Amino acid sequence: NAGVTQTPKFRILKIGQSMTLQCAQDMNHNYMYWYRQDPGMGLKLIYYSVGAGITDKGEVPNGYNVSRSTTEDFPLRLELAAPSQTSVYFCASRPTRASSYEQYFGPGTRLTVT
Amino acid sequence: AQKVTQAQTEISVVEKEDVTLDCVYETRDTTYYLFWYKQPPSGELVFLIRRNSFDEQNEISGRYSWNFQKSTSSFNFTITASQVVDSAVYFCALSEATGNQFYFGTGTSLTVIP
Repeated sequence: NAGVTQTPKFRILKIGQSMTLQCAQDMNHNYMYWYRQDPGMGLKLIYYSVGAGITDKGEVPNGYNVSRSTTEDFPLRLELAAPSQTSVYFCASRPTRASSYEQYFGPGTRLTVT
Repeated sequence: AQKVTQAQTEISVVEKEDVTLDCVYETRDTTYYLFWYKQPPSGELVFLIRRNSFDEQNEISGRYSWNFQKSTSSFNFTITASQVVDSAVYFCALSEATGNQFYFGTGTSLTVIP
């Protein structure tokens, strides 16, 4: 299993540009998450999904959109990028069973908006 | 509202010393889950432990141990006989019962000096 994969690893955007961060998992996990990690801060939840076709907002959803058309993929869309979106973005997934809430994280995407 | 506080921003210890990382949480839920994750300099997030709110037993795994005390809303992490490889940022996290949303502390950066 590849686990959770994210592309790209690095990206520089100009203000106002748009892009999609890709996330895929091959563990058949229903739950998937997008976080951002700012320097010296913990992770903040942007969006999450409990299964294909179902998404919901986390703590910091403004400026982002998500979709979940398949169990495997959970892309994060940035529209009109702003410098405040400079961050490291982590995707995660977890199994559905209640006995296993631990999340499996991808390697992260480092995004700079200038 | 859910909140996790890691008051120790940075800690430095000399190799073989013991070190305790503090975590205090806030929640109104009676059922919740607590986690510790490790983020080494390479940047990935590694799951260490999960504890549910009904299980206050302390846990030991090799040089790692965790002390969960509901009376003080704390879930502290101790590394015994620290090693250089323990140098990382450690995050404490809280999830409500559904496991839909996770709340992370700001992390404690541990440096183990050889």
